[in-house]
Amino acid sequence: AQSVTQLGSHVSVSEGALVLLRCNYSSSVPPYLFWYVQYPNQGLQLLLKYTTGATLVKGINGFEAEFKKSETSFHLTKPSAHMSDAAEYFCAVRSNSGGYQKVTFGTGTKLQVIP
Amino acid sequence: EPEVTQTPSHQVTQMGQEVILRCVPISNHLYFYWYRQILGQKVEFLVSFYNNEISEKSEIFDDQFSVERPDGSNFTLKIRSTKLEDSAMYFCAIPLSPVDSEAFFGQGTRLTVV
Repeated sequence: AQSVTQLGSHVSVSEGALVLLRCNYSSSVPPYLFWYVQYPNQGLQLLLKYTTGATLVKGINGFEAEFKKSETSFHLTKPSAHMSDAAEYFCAVRSNSGGYQKVTFGTGTKLQVIP
Repeated sequence: EPEVTQTPSHQVTQMGQEVILRCVPISNHLYFYWYRQILGQKVEFLVSFYNNEISEKSEIFDDQFSVERPDGSNFTLKIRSTKLEDSAMYFCAIPLSPVDSEAFFGQGTRLTVV
């Protein structure tokens, strides 16, 4: 079974500072990995995903994440935080072993951006 | 990118009442998921539905829950007798295919049971 652990339920950064949101996964098969963002009172929006190929994936709004198999990690980064980045971020994993596979979410990390 | 509309956006119901949450994909889809998010907690899988059958369900999805595709386009989640602990955001998600890696989420329905 797959699982996701997000370290830090709340992260605060200053505007313009580096954003680093941590995610570690557990999966018995090569995983598909995702980062979703949820703005207040809104649904889940896909930021980026890793399936196969290049381990550094770029997403929307300047975010990127690197799949590191040896560390079972998929940390989300952005070089310079913007006020509009304040939201909750969810790491998720989906097994690609075939059949209908659900997405398993982490507990989420709330990002606060301080002006 | 497929779009997903969920209705209502917010529903308040009395404990013990039945509620029906609706999900309407803009394009025709055969498969969808329902997730829920209790306030302050993580997004939890409820059920996946393919071609008019439940393909997988979690332990949360007990007998009080049911899913249907009543008219070939809408997908519904019914909670027969709501409990206070059913208060949550409920999200419908549409994958591009049963094995596709990406799912598109609706805006959610906020259910408040009083």
